[in-house]
Amino acid sequence: GENVEQHPSTLSVQEGDSAVIKCTYSDSASNYFPWYKQELGKRPQLIIDIRSNVGEKKDQRIAVTLNKTAKHFSLHITETQPEDSAVYFCAASISDYKLSFGAGTTVTVRA
Amino acid sequence: GAVVSQHPSRVICKSGTSVKIECRSLDFQATTMFWYRQFPKQSLMLMATSNEGSKATYEQGVEKDKFLINHASLTLSTLTVTSAHPEDSSFYICSASASVYNEQFFGPGTRLTVL
Repeated sequence: GENVEQHPSTLSVQEGDSAVIKCTYSDSASNYFPWYKQELGKRPQLIIDIRSNVGEKKDQRIAVTLNKTAKHFSLHITETQPEDSAVYFCAASISDYKLSFGAGTTVTVRA
Repeated sequence: GAVVSQHPSRVICKSGTSVKIECRSLDFQATTMFWYRQFPKQSLMLMATSNEGSKATYEQGVEKDKFLINHASLTLSTLTVTSAHPEDSSFYICSASASVYNEQFFGPGTRLTVL
């Protein structure tokens, strides 16, 4: 089955700086890569996703890049704000079905 | 986006009892629902996938006789934890999608504590 690895496990950044989280996946058939933000005790919220026919996608301060050859994808958050503090999960799946999640990254934005 | 609810949000039960958790899609018909378990400070682990009107497909290592899943309608799936033990204490989250290949929408989760 799919194995998704995520790094780093924790990330502390100064407000206004950028944050980058990286994930790798094992199944070359995976073609859908969503990113979720989860606050303590809450449901995961989809913040951005990318499909294998695209190399990069941006939505305001958030961007995701995908390298299919290397089987890795990254989340970039620019101009971080305190409300960006949360746990972020990457995931991979084949056509949106059966998501395999990374271990998560706890992001802390220092004011 | 679509709305998925879960009930109850929190439950505390004694060891040996059974607990039922409901997952509902409020504004769309969910042909597929997924059940996840999340231990503190860990990732979401898929337990099983259920399609309306058919038996659930369980992930390796998940006991189907302990975690009973029923997806009787296009808007409701239930997870019953039978003979619960303290090690079953966890955050259980469901998700629902309109078809096998559509975006999953997550419920708010159910915090289960087994004493």
